[in-house]
Amino acid sequence: DSGVTQTPKHLITATGQRVTLRCSPRSGDLSVYWYQQSLDQGLQFLIQYYNGEERAKGNILERFSAQQFPDLHSELNLSSLELGDSALYFCASSVEGAHGYTFGSGTRLTVV
Amino acid sequence: ILNVEQSPQSLHVQEGDSTNFTCSFPSSNFYALHWYRWETAKSPEALFVMTLNGDEKKKGRISATLNTKEGYSYLYIKGSQPEDSATYLCAFSYSGAGSYQLTFGKGTKLSVIP
Repeated sequence: DSGVTQTPKHLITATGQRVTLRCSPRSGDLSVYWYQQSLDQGLQFLIQYYNGEERAKGNILERFSAQQFPDLHSELNLSSLELGDSALYFCASSVEGAHGYTFGSGTRLTVV
Repeated sequence: ILNVEQSPQSLHVQEGDSTNFTCSFPSSNFYALHWYRWETAKSPEALFVMTLNGDEKKKGRISATLNTKEGYSYLYIKGSQPEDSATYLCAFSYSGAGSYQLTFGKGTKLSVIP
């Protein structure tokens, strides 16, 4: 157990639907990062939150949004889902990113 | 666009062989280079973080070197064992971004044949 908790582990949903992925960072970590891994792609950075505020944005679609709550857990909302959104979504947390991340076990999203 | 390139994409070695992989990254505004080990159905696990040119890190049979001037890092595995089978990811962060998000390569998938 890495200390970063992601739920659910698996999610199957239909096109056009909306889902929410949840991440609880490791105790003491203020930063939460979301990454997407699609087939044959590396980990693609989506978005970072630090202590409740958005810190950086990567290749995140407008249909996707995220937030970090006062208790530091984060949620990634994916809406108007398309087949191409099927991927493994990772959350990672860090005290300070330069020293590396601790990853959660990921949520595998399948859009049918 | 920052690109991190890893080679080879995949590798099959016999148990007991030593092997190495390459990670290439932009040399400008370098901050840190990270190596992760990612086993199937698990989360990526941090191996090394290197920040200084010439850094060498070692953990058991695995070691890594860093050349920030030319923008590459090598990961070495001595005497590969079946449990070393995994995907090895390298990731780069640069200064000035403010957030230190990591840019990952696609990884090198290592299969160690008993």
